Amino acid sequence: RKEVEQDPGPFNVPEGATVAFNCTYSNSASQSFFWYRQDCRKEPKLLMSVYSSGNEDGRFTAQLNRASQYISLLIRDSKLSDSATYLCVVNFLGDMRFGAGTRLTVKP
Amino acid sequence: SAVISQKPSRDICQRGTSLTIQCQVDSQVTMMFWYRQQPGQSLTLIATANQGSEATYESGFVIDKFPISRPNLTFSTLTVSNMSPEDSSIYLCSVELSPSSYEQYFGPGTRLTVT
Repeated sequence: RKEVEQDPGPFNVPEGATVAFNCTYSNSASQSFFWYRQDCRKEPKLLMSVYSSGNEDGRFTAQLNRASQYISLLIRDSKLSDSATYLCVVNFLGDMRFGAGTRLTVKP
Repeated sequence: SAVISQKPSRDICQRGTSLTIQCQVDSQVTMMFWYRQQPGQSLTLIATANQGSEATYESGFVIDKFPISRPNLTFSTLTVSNMSPEDSSIYLCSVELSPSSYEQYFGPGTRLTVT
């Protein structure tokens, strides 16, 4: 079983749609969680950290369910510029494990 | 945030040669890391670059193949030694700006092709 698993997609959605990505992790002692965004041929960029209480940043909402070892990212009102690969990242004592990423394409 | 630069941005190398990649940060950071991202795959941690001591390598990566230097808190190098086509990949350095935040910020990457 992979340490961090994501639905690879691709997700193809129209502008304005709401889309949700899921991620599961195997290490129940994992301490911190992140979503990164990676554009084609670019480096990953931190999108948001994921807190136990859930957190929101504009159109983006991240949720953590420790009991189910599950993280989610919700994007509302999708924009063309949201097209990218979204990486789920799980940390245990500084050891960062990256998911393979979920590819999103937002179409006009 | 910090400005992180890498040199070279890309290179094409012959098998059997070595390439040294540089990573420069515009502020002092404690933690620096080197990752590899093979085509179509996610990131794999190669090692943690420790200032003043030997790097800490992940399983499957060894110092002879990927020697790392960290002479100060703003700079690190990764060498890919005795290259083979299987080493063709993107190599990225990352830094942790806030100690124990575990939030990592990445350099732009070095795209290496080995022929």
